[in-house]
Amino acid sequence: DTAVSQTPKYLVTQMGNDKSIKCEQNLGHDTMYWYKQDSKKFLKIMFSYNNKELIINETVPNRFSPKSPDKAHLNLHINSLELGDSAVYFCASSLTRVEYTDTQYFGPGTRLTVL
Amino acid sequence: QKEVEQNSGPLSVPEGAIASLNCTYSDRGSQSFFWYRQYSGKSPELIMSIYSNGDKEDGRFTAQLNKASQYVSLLIRDSQPSDSATYLCAVMRTNAGKSTFGDGTTLTVKP
Repeated sequence: DTAVSQTPKYLVTQMGNDKSIKCEQNLGHDTMYWYKQDSKKFLKIMFSYNNKELIINETVPNRFSPKSPDKAHLNLHINSLELGDSAVYFCASSLTRVEYTDTQYFGPGTRLTVL
Repeated sequence: QKEVEQNSGPLSVPEGAIASLNCTYSDRGSQSFFWYRQYSGKSPELIMSIYSNGDKEDGRFTAQLNKASQYVSLLIRDSQPSDSATYLCAVMRTNAGKSTFGDGTTLTVKP
């Protein structure tokens, strides 16, 4: 069984479009994250949710809006896509956000290409 | 200064050698330290976590932590071509709710 799954795996779209990426975890974890990994492989956190509550928002443009309908799901909606949004987006989850249990389990990633 | 810095790569070692990966961090309040491995085109996966000063061994992997020097390292003994990947150091401050990642070091193990 897949622990953290994301859809779609690849997303190619035009500038200005709106798109969504979905994430689901079946690990029973309380905390979920969205990361962006650019072409230089730098992995940067965007958002973190704990039990459906937003706890981390790392100065991401407000074109990016996460939504957590329940603690097993964290979706990412992106409005007015720009060229610079092209990257791989990883969803991750951890048991809690407290130290000693912050091992994160990553989804397979969504490669977003904005043309 | 970056919050988490890793030794610049790429790092290349022959098969069977010891690969040494280094990471320094700036936040003295950091309490949890992680090494993730990421194969090309794949997602990061945890290989080691360490919370106390000293060494922690798991098979061919040894993590070393020195909080006074704000330094954490990963040693891979008897390196195998399958160890070729990018290794990401991640650091978490107590109750911060997030880990901060370094830029990664790409390791190539040559047969």
